[in-house]
This record gives sequence, C-alpha cells and structure tokens, in this order.
Amino acid sequence: GAVVSQHPSRVICKSGTSVKIECRSLDFQATTMFWYRQFPKQSLMLMATSNEGSKATYEQGVEKDKFLINHASLTLSTLTVTSAHPEDSSFYICSATDKGVRSPLHFGNGTRLTVT
Amino acid sequence: AQKVTQAQTEISVVEKEDVTLDCVYETRDTTYYLFWYKQPPSGELVFLIRRNSFDEQNEISGRYSWNFQKSTSSFNFTITASQVVDSAVYFCALSNTNAGKSTFGDGTTLTVKP
Repeated sequence: GAVVSQHPSRVICKSGTSVKIECRSLDFQATTMFWYRQFPKQSLMLMATSNEGSKATYEQGVEKDKFLINHASLTLSTLTVTSAHPEDSSFYICSATDKGVRSPLHFGNGTRLTVT
Repeated sequence: AQKVTQAQTEISVVEKEDVTLDCVYETRDTTYYLFWYKQPPSGELVFLIRRNSFDEQNEISGRYSWNFQKSTSSFNFTITASQVVDSAVYFCALSNTNAGKSTFGDGTTLTVKP
C-alpha cells in the first residue's frame, strides 16, 4: 500500500542551528501534504498545509519564517526549522494524500526533534 | 470551527476486558469524515478507520468495533477482549474532506495490563 517516509526519525541539534525534515510519498504522487507538531502527551496540532508548486498555508500562530516548508515535487515536502530553540523540541509528523478523492491520508512515522 | 473531544484522558484495563473509547465531535459541515488512529510508544500513527457522515452503519473489524451516532455526534471505539499490545494512545479525528487537514482530539491513553 501507499507509504509515506519521513526522515530523519530522530535528530538532536544545538540551539541556533537549522534542521530539515523530509516527507516523501513512496508510491503515489502527493499533491498535498500536511505538517503536524505534537508535544509530549498532547494532541497533534496542524502547522501548515503544503501544496505542490505553491506556497504553504500556515495555521494561525505558526511562524512561517521559522518553519519553512517547501513542496517542490509531487513526492517530496520538506520542513526546515530555522534557528531552532529548545522550545521547538517536539515530534513532527507529516501526512500526505494523492489526487484520488477516495484516497485516505497517509502519515509518516514522525521525526523527534530535540534541541539542546 | 471543528472540535473533537475525547473526555477520557487515560484508561487502564486488565487483559481480556472490553473497553470503549469515547469521541464526541462538533462541526457545522454536513459532509465530514471521522477517523480513529492508534499511536503506539514508537510514535507513528496507525490508521484504524475512516467513516463519512452519510454512513452511520456500525463497523466491526476483528476485536475492534465502532459506533457512529450522528444524533449524539459521537463516534465511539470499542476493543473487545483487550490485549497488552492494544496499549497505546488513541486519537479520534475529524475532517471536512476525505483526506484533508484534520482536527484531532486530545487522545486517550489506553493501558492494558496482563
């Protein structure tokens, strides 16, 4: 079945550095991808909607200059956390769907970011 | 605005007990989709079921069953004869499209003890 691959699964970085997280659809073309953030023991909160070939749509309260999203192809969306700070430490998870109206949403395995 | 409420924060049962996880939703859309996901300690989200607003039939899949009632805006999930491997966080989610952005509930942490 359809699979969404997210890389890396874990990353530790120093405060002030930038981290890039990749979300790939492996056997389907993902016209739309979603990026969620999940703090420990909390729910998933939508950060942004990423559409191939256009600018991402950010949810209220999400800093677009801090969380850069690029959806340059139908199989890849990237989330870059710029100038990361400890409060950015979280679990980031992407989801993707293809063009079919009956197609479900597929989630990646998530990326656990720790900023020291 | 959409909202999903999972009132049960944590549930603990002993293996082989049946357990029901509650989900109540709010939406002004006439067409919407409801989902349940399982999130084991490893973190990935495992899709369990999708139900659209026009299909109120209950569904059974093995030990899992779902009760969708539009009259009470509820989409409850029952695990029969629970097993230790069922221990996880379970999320109920709502979307106005089949595969659009979803609003998640706060999750219910289920612990099944041997």
